[in-house]
Amino acid sequence: EDQVTQSPEALRLQEGESSSLNCSYTVSGLRGLFWYRQDPGKGPEFLFTLYSAGEEKEKERLKATLTKKESFLHITAPKPEDSATYLCAVQVLKNYGGSQGNLIFGKGTKLSVKP
Amino acid sequence: DGGITQSPKYLFRKEGQNVTLSCEQNLNHDAMYWYRQDPGQGLRLIYYSQIVNDFQKGDIAEGYSVSREKKESFPLTVTSAQKNPTAFYLCASSIGPGTEAFFGQGTRLTVV
Repeated sequence: EDQVTQSPEALRLQEGESSSLNCSYTVSGLRGLFWYRQDPGKGPEFLFTLYSAGEEKEKERLKATLTKKESFLHITAPKPEDSATYLCAVQVLKNYGGSQGNLIFGKGTKLSVKP
Repeated sequence: DGGITQSPKYLFRKEGQNVTLSCEQNLNHDAMYWYRQDPGQGLRLIYYSQIVNDFQKGDIAEGYSVSREKKESFPLTVTSAQKNPTAFYLCASSIGPGTEAFFGQGTRLTVV
């Protein structure tokens, strides 16, 4: 069964205290891995797509990396406005080379950054 | 302004009623999706459509129905057969398989 597990469930940081969020996945074949940010009561906001092991993407204080079994979202010198729930999702590659299309989501990591 | 519009933002349903949640996109995306989000759980797929006039059941389709008569629109009906409909419903669209999905702002449905 295809699965996505995120850890930790919650993370509290002081402003400026760098850390990493983990997303481990078990899938038959990975088409792509996606990171989203979700604020309370709102829809997820797209951050990054990663397709192959060794790939890295950066945006402001965020950097996403991918290995064959997991992805990390590194947050460097976070600010209070980075507080949100971060969601990881995978798209599975099917046997025929196609894709099911839909995303399989983890439960998210709730990040709180205190000033 | 391109994007995905969900309406209404809040919806209240009486026991035994069917309600329809609207989702419209002007991104010219082929694929559209409906997810349900409950506290402490990840997003779970209800239905998805990769092309007009075609849609597939997701993991939790029981008690829900959809239609895809136009590329821009993918309405979700929550029927009286859905025993626990109170949740946050999210609609998304993407160009196609393997590409990122973009989400609307959600509809919070409450049974009263």
